[in-house]
Amino acid sequence: SQQGEEDPQALSIQEGENATMNCSYKTSINNLQWYRQNSGRGLVHLILIRSNEREKHSGRLRVTLDTSKKSSSLLITASRAADTASYFCATDEGNFNKFYFGSGTKLNVKP
Amino acid sequence: ETGVTQSPTHLIKTRGQQVTLRCSSQSGHNTVSWYQQALGQGPQFIFQYYREEENGRGNFPPRFSGLQFPNYSSELNVNALELDDSALYLCASRPQGGPTGELFFGEGSRLTVL
Repeated sequence: SQQGEEDPQALSIQEGENATMNCSYKTSINNLQWYRQNSGRGLVHLILIRSNEREKHSGRLRVTLDTSKKSSSLLITASRAADTASYFCATDEGNFNKFYFGSGTKLNVKP
Repeated sequence: ETGVTQSPTHLIKTRGQQVTLRCSSQSGHNTVSWYQQALGQGPQFIFQYYREEENGRGNFPPRFSGLQFPNYSSELNVNALELDDSALYLCASRPQGGPTGELFFGEGSRLTVL
């Protein structure tokens, strides 16, 4: 299946540090989204970036998109222990009727 | 709080049995999709329904089927359960079509197949 892939698979940082995670995908997209999942729970939408956008901000989140490299990054600034979760990118790959998720980055923020 | 509820939250079945999982979406969300998430993996797209018709499907066999009802509820049915079907099943809804794409997820139903 055509999915995004996150990198790194796991990330451990101290509270107050920044966390950067990356996503690569394979085909053209309409938009790319990032979601967060606390252990075993449902996913929560964080931010959406359209294919014609290069950067987007929301609070402590910054997302970039490079369609020529088919990649995106999510930056969480001034991380908190409550940011500990798994983060997934999702792409529609040009079809609003299918969404593909990557395997996720597991972020651990130590207090 | 996404306004999407799923039931049951946990269930245990044996191989070969059939299971029905249920999802209730927000009013006005007439697009619903279902995902399978194995432990330690990302959600895998099963299928999507729009106005009670399936309009997108992932790489899942026909024993995975669904229904969507006019009252914004939906079902995922899995026949002839296999051990590998053990997973968290998530439903997600969104408003009518459109390019926004944001998905509203329920908390999931955790299925264990013995």
